[in-house]
Amino acid sequence: KAGVTQTPRYLIKTRGQQVTLSCSPISGHRSVSWYQQTPGQGLQFLFEYFSETQRNKGNFPGRFSGRQFSNSRSEMNVSTLELGDSALYLCASSRQYQQGIGYEQYFGPGTRLTVT
Amino acid sequence: AQSVTQLGSHVSVSEGALVLLRCNYSSSVPPYLFWYVQYPNQGLQLLLKYTTGATLVKGINGFEAEFKKSETSFHLTKPSAHMSDAAEYFCAPGSRRGSYIPTFGRGTSLIVHP
Repeated sequence: KAGVTQTPRYLIKTRGQQVTLSCSPISGHRSVSWYQQTPGQGLQFLFEYFSETQRNKGNFPGRFSGRQFSNSRSEMNVSTLELGDSALYLCASSRQYQQGIGYEQYFGPGTRLTVT
Repeated sequence: AQSVTQLGSHVSVSEGALVLLRCNYSSSVPPYLFWYVQYPNQGLQLLLKYTTGATLVKGINGFEAEFKKSETSFHLTKPSAHMSDAAEYFCAPGSRRGSYIPTFGRGTSLIVHP
């Protein structure tokens, strides 16, 4: 089974621009979560989508948004980029929560975003 | 809300020595708990998980962890460190109560000296 894929792997943008990142989950997984990872803040949850609906949202400003398509692929968008948005953005897919299994997530390799 | 605390942002061991990475959880109900590993420039990979049943769980690459309810701990161990174990390790809760907000530990960087 193919793993979670993220594109692009690396991205350099200028402050004020916007960016769209893409994530393709493992086949059969309907939940996609996004995380921001920085040295200072660690791994922080952005949002989760399940069956095209945002199910949970972390504590990030409205500049961060996402969506999920009918094939479970997901995109996240960051508008009006700031220097502090430089980070590794990780996508994780999961089956629906299952009793006895929990909420096991499978991560992609991430997109390294650098804002200059 | 469920949360985990990882003690020590960095742990340094010699090759062949015991590895011990600490994780304590906070919850009012028995949780599911996971350990993930992140190698440089990669995403996170599930190392092992505790769901129900046996409290000593074995994972990949010779790692294991023991769920101790009395200590609210889920420490990760490996009897003999290898250079290839150098990575970032994350403890995370895996239960679901209401709206689930995944809260990972801050991570522990394992450094292995030759």
